[in-house]
Amino acid sequence: DIQMTQSPSSLSASVGDRVTITCRASQTITTSLNWYQQKPGKAPNLLIFAASTLQSGVPSRFSGSGSGTHFTLTISSLQPEDFATYYCQQSYSIPTFGQGTKLEI
Amino acid sequence: EVQLVESGGGLVQPGGSLRLSCAASGFTFSDHYMDWVRQAPGKGLEWVGRIRYKAKSYSTDYAASVKGRFTISRDDSKNSLYLQMNSLKTEDTAIYYCTRGGNDGYFFDYWGQGTLVTVSS
Repeated sequence: DIQMTQSPSSLSASVGDRVTITCRASQTITTSLNWYQQKPGKAPNLLIFAASTLQSGVPSRFSGSGSGTHFTLTISSLQPEDFATYYCQQSYSIPTFGQGTKLEI
Repeated sequence: EVQLVESGGGLVQPGGSLRLSCAASGFTFSDHYMDWVRQAPGKGLEWVGRIRYKAKSYSTDYAASVKGRFTISRDDSKNSLYLQMNSLKTEDTAIYYCTRGGNDGYFFDYWGQGTLVTVSS
């Protein structure tokens, strides 16, 4: 299985900050990388697919980039509702998720 | 509006069995891959398995951790997805989410609210 490693595991930030979360794959996955947001007690929500395509309805302050083995999720200006846990997931082969990044105030 | 509603979770003893169901609405169920994803308490997400649509012979894939114990099936006439879980272990304790595999399973674009399965004596 392809292993996905996110960094950092947790991150403290403030409203208005620009934050970047990194996801690395154990082997090349081209651009087969998706990002999800999960709030406490809720199901995950798809933010970005194919590394950089914003899912419908997702605010434009979210962006994704990368290819091969290195990917990033950037939130350009943090809003109060963005404090959550973020997961990357590869779809190049049998799906696997990163361990998550908890974004805290 | 796409809706996925899971049911069937509960408390079961180690070695026991449980069957989860997922009722889908708001989209053409038969046209989509469907997946199960789980999340142990306080932990991250783990893909459990997938079932493809009729044109792909309803083929299935499973995570190594559940292969041989779990079986995914679907009934397109009822817009329903199922997860039969046998030989349950304490480490199977988790919230189980039904998800739609968008773009032939490339991503999980809709999720149910989840159903909790607790395996404990």
